[in-house]
Amino acid sequence: GDSVTQMEGPVTLSEEAFLTINCTYTATGYPSLFWYVQYPGEGLQLLLKATKADDKGSNKGFEATYRKETTSFHLEKGSVQVSDSAVYFCALGGSNYKLTFGKGTLLTVNP
Amino acid sequence: DTGVSQNPRHKITKRGQNVTFRCDPISEHNRLYWYRQTLGQGPEFLTYFQNEAQLEKSRLLSDRFSAERPKGSFSTLEIQRTEQGDSAMYLCASSLQTSTPYEQYFGPGTRLTVT
Repeated sequence: GDSVTQMEGPVTLSEEAFLTINCTYTATGYPSLFWYVQYPGEGLQLLLKATKADDKGSNKGFEATYRKETTSFHLEKGSVQVSDSAVYFCALGGSNYKLTFGKGTLLTVNP
Repeated sequence: DTGVSQNPRHKITKRGQNVTFRCDPISEHNRLYWYRQTLGQGPEFLTYFQNEAQLEKSRLLSDRFSAERPKGSFSTLEIQRTEQGDSAMYLCASSLQTSTPYEQYFGPGTRLTVT
């Protein structure tokens, strides 16, 4: 079945550092890929998406590229801020409309 | 309409009691999903509706769980004879029937604690 494996945290960075959170997936067919973010005390929010191979999703300075050859969708940001502290979830949308999530990566950014 | 809403936000119940949660999706969204999230894990799919029809149920959804969406608008999730293992955050999401049905919008969740 479909599955998502993402880098385990927690990840602690200083402000303005470069961020990478790795995500790989296993799926049949041609899934869509997503990054969701959960800020403290809030619900899940869609951060970015990519619906086909080589698509790049981007939002709020975050980027991720759909790499079919490596089955990956790594999240990157060039310069993190304290306000980026949250839990980040990689997710896959397969053929039956449900989302399959990774376990989440807690990011803490210190000033 | 500001998004998906869920009620209650928190529920504490004793083992063996029944509980019911409500989800109100974004008004024009015809797909509605329920997920369960336990501590340190990502959300796990439970079930989904297209309009009022329940189209898929996960094996996680035991016979103590039932979900309804009677008029294709709000949905309820009922857990009968709750067990401590049911303690989790229950999330509802909705989406439009478009070419990107996975772009789901989540509510804040209902946190269930079974004592």
